[in-house]
Amino acid sequence: DQQVKQNSPSLSVQEGRISILNCDYTNSMFDYFLWYKKYPAEGPTFLISISSIKDKNEDGRFTVFLNKSAKHLSLHIVPSQPGDSAVYFCAASLYGSARQLTFGSGTQLTVLP
Amino acid sequence: DAGVTQSPTHLIKTRGQQVTLRCSPKSGHDTVSWYQQALGQGPQFIFQYYEEEERQRGNFPDRFSGHQFPNYSSELNVNALLLGDSALYLCASSEGGRHLNTGELFFGEGSRLTVL
Repeated sequence: DQQVKQNSPSLSVQEGRISILNCDYTNSMFDYFLWYKKYPAEGPTFLISISSIKDKNEDGRFTVFLNKSAKHLSLHIVPSQPGDSAVYFCAASLYGSARQLTFGSGTQLTVLP
Repeated sequence: DAGVTQSPTHLIKTRGQQVTLRCSPKSGHDTVSWYQQALGQGPQFIFQYYEEEERQRGNFPDRFSGHQFPNYSSELNVNALLLGDSALYLCASSEGGRHLNTGELFFGEGSRLTVL
């Protein structure tokens, strides 16, 4: 039973355009959501997060939106750059579980020059 | 400032053998978590160690065990290896207090285990 789902295994966008990566979850008890990106032969690196009490969080070119009623979050990258090409993982956690992260299966983003 | 370091980076074992993977957390971090990432999937939580004790465990059999040392480094042991244990094993560290607020983790590059 996948509690966090990323239904798009891959996404290609043109350099300079917007990249939108989507994530759905089923457990309404999740109270913190994170995005990680992973380059080949490297471990995942933290990108941006959002608490369930917010609906938007921005950090430079990266914005995460949370729609609690739809149990959906998305990561927007504007403008997209070739160096953004990586696998992006959505993750969720809940307080009281030692903050273990439940990950989606990832989306491979390719930014074309 | 060294980040999370893991060893070995790659190893090959045969079914039934045992393996030990090692992890040194980022400086200043006291909490270590282990994740298994199978091919094409996201990382799956194995367990977390804090103050040398297992604080939380995921849905993994008892063949998976761990340890945390006084210097906060950690080991993951897997006994009676199965073909399905082939995966990338990721160690992640965090500062205990901050981690419980946000869940933000710092990952190592992983140990790639192949079971033949």
